[in-house]
Amino acid sequence: AQSVSQHNHHVILSEAASLELGCNYSYGGTVNLFWYVQYPGQHLQLLLKYFSGDPLVKGIKGFEAEFIKSKFSFNLRKPSVQWSDTAEYFCAVNNDNAGNMLTFGGGTRLMVKP
Amino acid sequence: DAGVIQSPRHEVTEMGQEVTLRCKPISGHNSLFWYRQTMMRGLELLIYFNNNVPIDDSGMPEDRFSAKMPNASFSTLKIQPSEPRDSAVYFCASTDDSYRETQYFGPGTRLLVL
Repeated sequence: AQSVSQHNHHVILSEAASLELGCNYSYGGTVNLFWYVQYPGQHLQLLLKYFSGDPLVKGIKGFEAEFIKSKFSFNLRKPSVQWSDTAEYFCAVNNDNAGNMLTFGGGTRLMVKP
Repeated sequence: DAGVIQSPRHEVTEMGQEVTLRCKPISGHNSLFWYRQTMMRGLELLIYFNNNVPIDDSGMPEDRFSAKMPNASFSTLKIQPSEPRDSAVYFCASTDDSYRETQYFGPGTRLLVL
């Protein structure tokens, strides 16, 4: 069975600081990788996804993520965060044996101080 | 498209009462997922339907929980009898059956069992 680990449970940054949220998964086969964002009081929304090709994926709102297969990682980055990025971020993985099912990490709560 | 629709958005009930949560997936989507989100346990997959058939219900906590999908446009999650530990936000998500499609989440139902 696959699992997803997000090691940072809470992150506090000031505006304009750079962000990197870690995500590691355990599955040796082909994976599809996702980052979802949940703004306070709202539902999960897709931020970006990786299926194949260029391992550096660009998503909405200036976010990007890099797939490093050798490290089983898919870290999320943003060069300069804004107060409006305050949210919870979830990494999720789907593999070629799981159909449409996603395995989510535990989430990282990001607070950006104005 | 209206997106995934869930009702009610908020539910407050007393322990022992029956609770029914409803979900209307995005038209044309044939995979539907029920998730539960709590502070302690994060986001958990409860059950997954494909073409109205339950594929994986290993995440359903116990016999008090049941889910149905009588047709492609409607699903219910029922808790009977409800207990305070069932208090959580319950999300429904849907996706197309095509491999690698994004899951789209509904707004959630915030359940409080007193």
